[in-house]
Amino acid sequence: KAGVTQTPRYLIKTRGQQVTLSCSPISGHRSVSWYQQTPGQGLQFLFEYFSETQRNKGNFPGRFSGRQFSNSRSEMNVSTLELGDSALYLCASSRVEYDYGYTFGSGTRLTVV
Amino acid sequence: AQSVTQLGSHVSVSEGALVLLRCNYSSSVPPYLFWYVQYPNQGLQLLLKYTSAATLVKGINGFEAEFKKSETSFHLTKPSAHMSDAAEYFCAVSFSGGYNKLIFGAGTRLAVHP
Repeated sequence: KAGVTQTPRYLIKTRGQQVTLSCSPISGHRSVSWYQQTPGQGLQFLFEYFSETQRNKGNFPGRFSGRQFSNSRSEMNVSTLELGDSALYLCASSRVEYDYGYTFGSGTRLTVV
Repeated sequence: AQSVTQLGSHVSVSEGALVLLRCNYSSSVPPYLFWYVQYPNQGLQLLLKYTSAATLVKGINGFEAEFKKSETSFHLTKPSAHMSDAAEYFCAVSFSGGYNKLIFGAGTRLAVHP
């Protein structure tokens, strides 16, 4: 079966711009989580959605937002990009509300110049 | 609050030697524990997970981990390292009511030498 698909794989943006990243979970998975991975801060939780509802949010500024659609696909948006937003953004999906068996996508590598 | 500490940011072993990657956790509620592996330019792959069933958990690729509540540890082991095991390994904790939020350790980069 198809895994978690993240698009695009690579992205270069300029400071001040905004960006939208997409995540298509495994078919039948209803929970989608987002993580930011940087060399300095490691893997940090951004937010989690289940059935179109944001259930949990990490400690990130309001410039980071997300949403989930009725087909469980999710997008995250970062507005007014800063150099420090350069990172690998990972999406993970799980089948049910408390599955604890998350499957990660390959990530989107965002570079802000 | 929950947290994870991985002892040793870099571990180097010879091919065929025992792999031991250390993870200690802190949690005020019963934890769920995970080990993930990340290869260069890829996402995270689940190796194994502990969700309050058997304390010795067997995962993929010959890895296993033992949950020791008294030591608040969840160390990852493999009896015989293979060159293909070279990667970065992450220990993570979650908990009931955490809405699928994973808290990760800083990671351990495993090098395997011939």
